Formats: sequence, structure tokens, C-alpha cells
Amino acid sequence: NAGVTQTPKFQVLKTGQSMTLQCAQDMNHEYMSWYRQDPGMGLRLIHYSVGAGITDQGEVPNGYNVSRSTTEDFPLRLLSAAPSQTSVYFCASSDRQGGGYTFGSGTRLTVV
Amino acid sequence: AQSVTQLGSHVSVSEGALVLLRCNYSSSVPPYLFWYVQYPNQGLQLLLKYTSAATLVKGINGFEAEFKKSETSFHLTKPSAHMSDAAEYFCAVSAGGTNDYKLSFGAGTTVTVRA
Repeated sequence: NAGVTQTPKFQVLKTGQSMTLQCAQDMNHEYMSWYRQDPGMGLRLIHYSVGAGITDQGEVPNGYNVSRSTTEDFPLRLLSAAPSQTSVYFCASSDRQGGGYTFGSGTRLTVV
Repeated sequence: AQSVTQLGSHVSVSEGALVLLRCNYSSSVPPYLFWYVQYPNQGLQLLLKYTSAATLVKGINGFEAEFKKSETSFHLTKPSAHMSDAAEYFCAVSAGGTNDYKLSFGAGTTVTVRA
């Protein structure tokens, strides 16, 4: 009964470092997305995927890469961390029917 | 492209009073509409959704929302607030059809409940 699992929960990076935020879901959902949440701005879509091997950019994709080699996993890569990427990151998954996304518990990232 | 406007970033209500959170959307196609709740330091939890069936949608924890196409609104209500309703609430929209996997969120409304 895991749903969407994100790791790590907290991370501090130095400017210029790279890292991967992990996301896994066990509901066999086709759609997966990454959002960032910043105060007063709601959630903004970074990248999304409609199935294994298919990804596309969202509203704020710069500085991030994704891949989807399996239905279950959708990692988010920060190529060269910048202070502007300090945020809370959420991964979410959904079935195809407009059923609403299931969210992970988030990763709080600080870039210093 | 679709977008969402939530009126009021903060709402304060007394325990037992009506909770009303306003959401207006724009969409070029019939939308799917959602309300999510976020408790401190947690992820988002789906409260309810509209997917072109009944216009009055009932959700969890006593919340409901009414889809009004003529007003492009999807306001969230709860007749009697409880202390446990203190949280941040987000309205979201996705376009129907081939773009139904992309959610656009409003900026959120923080609800505080006074004893």
C-alpha cells in the first residue's frame, strides 16, 4: 500500500552539485509528473511522462532532466544545482481517466 | 492552455462556521477540476474531483464543490469548520481529451480555524 514513494525527504546541496531525486509508484499508473512548490506560487509542473519511454517538458523545465525507463520509476535529475532550485519537490502519478494525481510526501531541497 | 485563480490567499473562520474557498478557471476545452488539501509538511491529498458527471461533487471530510460552467467556477465549501480543517487548499484544472495528464494549480488558500 505504498502509493508514491520519494527519496530523499531532505537534501542540502552546494551550488554546482548534481543529484537525482527518486520517485517510484506501485499503482501501475501511466502518468507521472514532477512539481516544485514555492510559497505563494502553488505547484508548477517541471516534467511529465505519459508512459515508459515518453517524457515532455512542463512549465519550468530548465535545469532538470527526467527519464522513464519503467512504468514504476520517474527520477528527476538536477544537472548543476542553483540557489533558485531551493524548493519542495513533489512527484505524482495518475491513471489515464482524469482520476486525479496521487502525490508523494515530497523532497525538501536546499541549495547553498 | 488552462489556468486557475484562487481568490484569497488566507481565510480565517470560526469553528462551526461555513468554509468557502473560491476557485475560477480558464480552459479551452471542458475541464477536469480538482481540490487538494495539504497539511503541514505533507504531500497533497485529493479532496474531490469534477469529471463532467454531476455538477455538485461531494468529497472527503464533509467538503463539496459545485461546478458552474457559466461562471467558470468551482468553489469549495464545508458547512461547519472543524479545527482539523486548518491546512492549505489548492484548486487544480486539467484539460480533457489528449491533454488530461497535465495539472495546473492555483496559488493556494491557507485556512485557519479559530476556536
